[in-house]
Amino acid sequence: DAGVIQSPRHEVTEMGQEVTLRCKPISGHDYLFWYRQTMMRGLELLIYFNNNVPIDDSGMPEDRFSAKMPNASFSTLKIQPSEPRDSAVYFCASSLDGRKQFFGPGTRLTVL
Amino acid sequence: SQELEQSPQSLIVQEGKNLTINCTSSKTLYGLYWYKQKYGEGLIFLMMLQKGGEEKSHEKITAKLDEKKQQSSLHITASQPSHAGIYLCGADTGGGNKLTFGTGTQLKVEL
Repeated sequence: DAGVIQSPRHEVTEMGQEVTLRCKPISGHDYLFWYRQTMMRGLELLIYFNNNVPIDDSGMPEDRFSAKMPNASFSTLKIQPSEPRDSAVYFCASSLDGRKQFFGPGTRLTVL
Repeated sequence: SQELEQSPQSLIVQEGKNLTINCTSSKTLYGLYWYKQKYGEGLIFLMMLQKGGEEKSHEKITAKLDEKKQQSSLHITASQPSHAGIYLCGADTGGGNKLTFGTGTQLKVEL
C-alpha cells in the first residue's frame, strides 16, 4: 500500500484566497483525521471522520475551515478565506480503529 | 495546562548515551501510542501500550506504561544519529476513537 497520500506537499497563497488540501487514506481504513501542527500549539486535531461521517469537529478553529469526505478514499480540508495565522503543516491520518494512526507526509501551508 | 505533557521538551545527547522521555497525562490512560517525526515529514508509529505495566521494545527503544501514575516513558539505549527527531506520545483518554497528542520532545544526537 502507498500509505496516506496528501496533496499538495507545499502551498503558498495570499491572504484571502481559498485553499484546498487533499487526502487519500489507506484503503480499508474507516477513520480519517485532519491535524494542524505549529511550533506554538503542537499537533492539534481539527476533525475526524468514521465511515465518511464527521464525528468530532470541535477542533475546527472557525467557520472559515470546512472538511468533507465524499467517499472512503478521499477527503478535503478547505480554508476560505485564508489568513496568515493559518500557516502551518496540515496532516491527514487514517486508522482501522481510530487509535493506531498512520500519517501522511503533510501539506506545508504558507499564507502571505 | 496541557492534557498531555512531555518532558523534556528538547534533549541533546552524545552518540552512545542512553536517554528517557516521559509522557504524563492529566486523565486516565486507556492506551498510549508513541510516534517519531523527522523534520518535514509525517509521524511514524513506533509502539502501542494498552495495559498497565506493559513494556514493549523494538531494537534499542523500550516503552513502558504506568497506568497508576498516568505516565509512559520511552527509553533509548546507546543512542545513534538515526534516533534524532521529534518524539510524540498520543493518548487514548476515553474521549472517543481518537488520540490527544503531547507537546513533543526534540532529540538531537551528537557524534
